[in-house]
Amino acid sequence: AQSVSQHNHHVILSEAASLELGCNYSYGGTVNLFWYVQYPGQHLQLLLKYFSGDPLVKGIKGFEAEFIKSKFSFNLRKPSVQWSDTAEYFCAVNGGNTPLVFGKGTRLSVIA
Amino acid sequence: GAGVSQSPSNKVTEKGKDVELRCDPISGHTALYWYRQSLGQGLEFLIYFQGNSAPDKSGLPSDRFSAERTGGSVSTLTIQRTQQEDSAVYLCASSVYGTRYEQYFGPGTRLTVT
Repeated sequence: AQSVSQHNHHVILSEAASLELGCNYSYGGTVNLFWYVQYPGQHLQLLLKYFSGDPLVKGIKGFEAEFIKSKFSFNLRKPSVQWSDTAEYFCAVNGGNTPLVFGKGTRLSVIA
Repeated sequence: GAGVSQSPSNKVTEKGKDVELRCDPISGHTALYWYRQSLGQGLEFLIYFQGNSAPDKSGLPSDRFSAERTGGSVSTLTIQRTQQEDSAVYLCASSVYGTRYEQYFGPGTRLTVT
């Protein structure tokens, strides 16, 4: 069965600090990988996704993620966070047309 | 354009009662999903509708849970004989086609079972 592990439950960073949120998955076949974000009081929305090709994927708002197949990882990064990046971040994985499996989420708090 | 809408936004019910939660997907989206979000538990997949295919019910936690999608559009999630552990936020999402496509989420229904 597929599973997704997000190592950090709550991350607190100062503005301009660099961000890396870990995501590891367990799945035996070809995977599709996603990061979703939920800003306070807003709906979940897609940040970025990887299906194939260049393992370094760029998303909205300056976020990027790198797929490392050998490590079963899809970590999310941003060079310099802003206060507006305060949100909960969810990694998700599926194979083919199967339902998405989400991680438990990482809450990011950015302080001035 | 209009996004995914869900109603009611909040529902408080007594243990043992049945509840119905409604989802209106984005027009033209053929795929519709239900998830449950509990505090600290992330999103738990419940059920997935794709066009006219039989739904994927593999995530439904018990036979008290059921869902239908009428006319390929609106969906209703029904929970019978609610239990306190059913308290959660129930999220609906839709996508243009299948699960490889971006899912657009609704605001959710917060269900509290007393």
